[in-house]
Amino acid sequence: QSALTQPASVSGSPGQSIIISCTGTSSDVGGHNFVSWYQQHPGKAPKLIIYEVNNRPSGVSNRFSGSKSGNTASLTISGLQAEDEADYYCSSYTSTITLVVFGGGTKLTVL
Amino acid sequence: QEQLQESGPGLMKPSQTLSLTCNVSGGSISGGSYYWNWIRQPAGKGLEWIGRIYSRGSTNYNPSLKSRVTISLDTSENQFSLNLSSVTAADTAVYYCAREYTSFDYWGQGILVTVSS
Repeated sequence: QSALTQPASVSGSPGQSIIISCTGTSSDVGGHNFVSWYQQHPGKAPKLIIYEVNNRPSGVSNRFSGSKSGNTASLTISGLQAEDEADYYCSSYTSTITLVVFGGGTKLTVL
Repeated sequence: QEQLQESGPGLMKPSQTLSLTCNVSGGSISGGSYYWNWIRQPAGKGLEWIGRIYSRGSTNYNPSLKSRVTISLDTSENQFSLNLSSVTAADTAVYYCAREYTSFDYWGQGILVTVSS
């Protein structure tokens, strides 16, 4: 069981927007602004798409955005494209001895 | 632009010690304020953080693996390594190395390690 809770799957049609949630506790998501999101296509390494809650690395589409409210972080993907179909993982620092935790991952299907 | 590349055995027997190396190119592993991490992913499952080493040499490990894990830095070769002792089938996974500042911004391509008798 992962430390952070994500929905197992979400889906949307091209052009639509979807939101993936990532729920933790006050020791991780709620207690830090070091929440990040990763996109992983099959057989590939994860790719950083959001860092520090709502920042995009250079080269990442502005269709990806992040936010946080309390113990829940969210990833929004707008204007869905076929290439967005992938697994998405959230991660957070934690004030416990574990230091770093991941969500279980969410499979995004573009219909 | 940093590039990371894992290397090591793809097949191991139970009870052996897994040794993986991550070669870093495009920057000095001892320069900057970065952590160098190992993360693994069993087939069809999520990501698990194994541990990290700071560019100055201090380490942190996942408590669930701490008794079996050692991460070390080789600045002369610009690489860092993972040793995981007493492996079992449960350690079968793709192992990734990754650079961390406040997030994991550069990743290796991953190496599949299978533990089987």
